[in-house]
Amino acid sequence: QVQLVQSGAEVKKPGASVKVSCQASGYTFTRHEIHWVRQAPGQRLEWMGWINVGNGNTKYSQSFQGRVTITRDTSATTAYLELSSLRSEDTAVFYCAILSGLFDYWGQGTLVTVSS
Amino acid sequence: SYELTQPPSVSVSPGQTTTITCSGDELGRRYTTWYQQRPGQSPLLVIYHDNKRPSGIPDRFSGSNSGNTATLTISGTQAIDEADFYCQAWDSSTGVVFGGGTKLTVL
Repeated sequence: QVQLVQSGAEVKKPGASVKVSCQASGYTFTRHEIHWVRQAPGQRLEWMGWINVGNGNTKYSQSFQGRVTITRDTSATTAYLELSSLRSEDTAVFYCAILSGLFDYWGQGTLVTVSS
Repeated sequence: SYELTQPPSVSVSPGQTTTITCSGDELGRRYTTWYQQRPGQSPLLVIYHDNKRPSGIPDRFSGSNSGNTATLTISGTQAIDEADFYCQAWDSSTGVVFGGGTKLTVL
């Protein structure tokens, strides 16, 4: 079965960077884009960007442009989200997801807490 | 940038029909997806391509999309349906867009 398994919770100081991983299994890794979505406590889902796993091309939300980098390691079937210049407002659960119509799968989420 | 607008909350009694709307410019020309999210859980796909239901989703969930509005309908709403619901669409400039979410309360 398809699974997206994310790395564990992180605590970071303001101004630092965080890198979250998303290991995929149960399907051909290069066949589907992987998206990253942020959800602050009690707030809406917010799309951050995606990566074409096959060729490595990325598209980022303007809201995060300049602070976000999405990469992948095809040999490890893992995608990564790196967010820099963290601020308190970035305290949130970050999800990786495949959003391809019926082929729709989400990771379990990774809580990132930004606190001094 | 493209935006999707949902009502913040909807309340219904058990057994009634729930209607949740999602509005966006010419939304009917785009596929709309609907997610259910319970507290502490990842979003769950309930409707894709406007009106298609994944296996395992009860047939009381249905969707439609026309003009500027997509609609999620839950017939015979049950207490177990209480959750946040999000619509989602794709825009070539903005990327993936989520609505603001609607909290469904079953009284």
